[in-house]
Amino acid sequence: EDQVTQSPEALRLQEGESSSLNCSYTVSGLRGLFWYRQDPGKGPEFLFTLYSAGEEKEKERLKATLTKKESFLHITAPKPEDSATYLCAVQANAGNNRKLIWGLGTSLAVNP
Amino acid sequence: NAGVMQNPRHLVRRRGQEARLRCSPMKGHSHVYWYRQLPEEGLKFMVYLQKENIIDESGMPKERFSAEFPKEGPSILRIQQVVRGDSAAYFCASSPGMDTQYFGPGTRLTVL
Repeated sequence: EDQVTQSPEALRLQEGESSSLNCSYTVSGLRGLFWYRQDPGKGPEFLFTLYSAGEEKEKERLKATLTKKESFLHITAPKPEDSATYLCAVQANAGNNRKLIWGLGTSLAVNP
Repeated sequence: NAGVMQNPRHLVRRRGQEARLRCSPMKGHSHVYWYRQLPEEGLKFMVYLQKENIIDESGMPKERFSAEFPKEGPSILRIQQVVRGDSAAYFCASSPGMDTQYFGPGTRLTVL
C-alpha cells in the first residue's frame, strides 16, 4: 500500500536556526513527490516537484532533495513568515492515476 | 491568471440536507481533483475528473457523494443527506495535464 510518513510532527525553531523536515514514502513506482505549504484556513500552496532520486530543487530559503526512500525539505536561516504546515505527497506511476497520497505534515513554528 | 476558485468558502447544513460545493479550475486547466481534509487525518483523495468524464472515483464514498465537471461551468461536488461525519474542509485542485496540482482555498462544511 502506498504510504507517506512525515517527521517530526511539530518543530519549533528560532529565527535563523536551520533544520530539515523528513518525508519517508513507499509507493509502487514513483511518478513524482510533491512538497506543499499550508497556512491555517487556506489551501495547500505548491512548493516543489521531484521526479527521480538525486534530484534537488531550491527556492529562497527552502531546498528539497529526493532519494529512493525519502525526501528532505531543508530550511536555511528561517524567518517567522516560514511558519506553516509543510505537506509531502506522492503520486504513483500507474496508468491514469493522478491521485496524491499525503503525509500528515510537519507543523513548523519560527520564533523571532 | 486567477487561481483555483471555490465557493462557498463556508457552508453550514443541517443533517439530511444537501451540500453543493463548486470549483472553477485555473484557466487552461482541464483536470480537476477533489480532496477532503479532516483534523488529525490529513488530506484524502476523493475523485479525479476531466471535462464531462470521471476518470478515478476510487476515493469517493459509494453513497450520497457525487461529482461532475460539465462541458460548461464549474465542477460540482454534491453531498446528499449530509451527516455530522461529513463536516470537513473540501479542497479542489486543478492541473493542465500530468502536472502539478494547484489548490483552491477550500470549502469548510459544517453539519449541525
